[in-house]
Amino acid sequence: DVKVTQSSRYLVKRTGEKVFLECVQDMDHENMFWYRQDPGLGLRLIYFSYDVKMKEKGDIPEGYSVSREKKERFSLILESASTNQTSMYLCASSHRVGKHNEQFFGPGTRLTVL
Amino acid sequence: ILNVEQSPQSLHVQEGDSTNFTCSFPSSNFYALHWYRWETAKSPEALFVMTLNGDEKKKGRISATLNTKEGYSYLYIKGSQPEDSATYLCARQTGANNLFFGTGTRLTVIP
Repeated sequence: DVKVTQSSRYLVKRTGEKVFLECVQDMDHENMFWYRQDPGLGLRLIYFSYDVKMKEKGDIPEGYSVSREKKERFSLILESASTNQTSMYLCASSHRVGKHNEQFFGPGTRLTVL
Repeated sequence: ILNVEQSPQSLHVQEGDSTNFTCSFPSSNFYALHWYRWETAKSPEALFVMTLNGDEKKKGRISATLNTKEGYSYLYIKGSQPEDSATYLCARQTGANNLFFGTGTRLTVIP
């Protein structure tokens, strides 16, 4: 059974804190993605990675960085959390082989920044 | 159309009713159209990936069609059940990796 797990379902942090969101997949997928979901907006891509140590900016990378040291793990880092980063964060993964690859999602982390 | 748009934003249907909703997207630079179902407190899960104009896919009571020339896809649910209650997302794929999502249609099936 394919699985994408995220380190926390709910997280509360203070403005200015450094925040790490971890994502692990057990499907040997090459591609991994970080999205955020806000009311009234579709899932928006923050960063993605198509291989270990590789990363590409998505649509809204400002205020975020990522790390992919191992194939199965993709971390999203908020260097200095701000209240406008309060959101639902979703991680996903997919194979790179083949053109039309469905993405498999984790359950999401609801982050609140006070 | 510049972005992926879904309509309606939400709807309520009675158990047993059939329903459908729409995903509209720019028809240029098209690779594939994805449909996902996202139940509350769960992960979004893929329903369909469609690539060719005229594609029709079916999974149980749920089916989808694709028109790439005019840039729309319909999702149909026949005989809705309470367990169909979820947000249905569509996403346009323009390249090997990137998906652009709509805001979703939230379906509530009333027993």
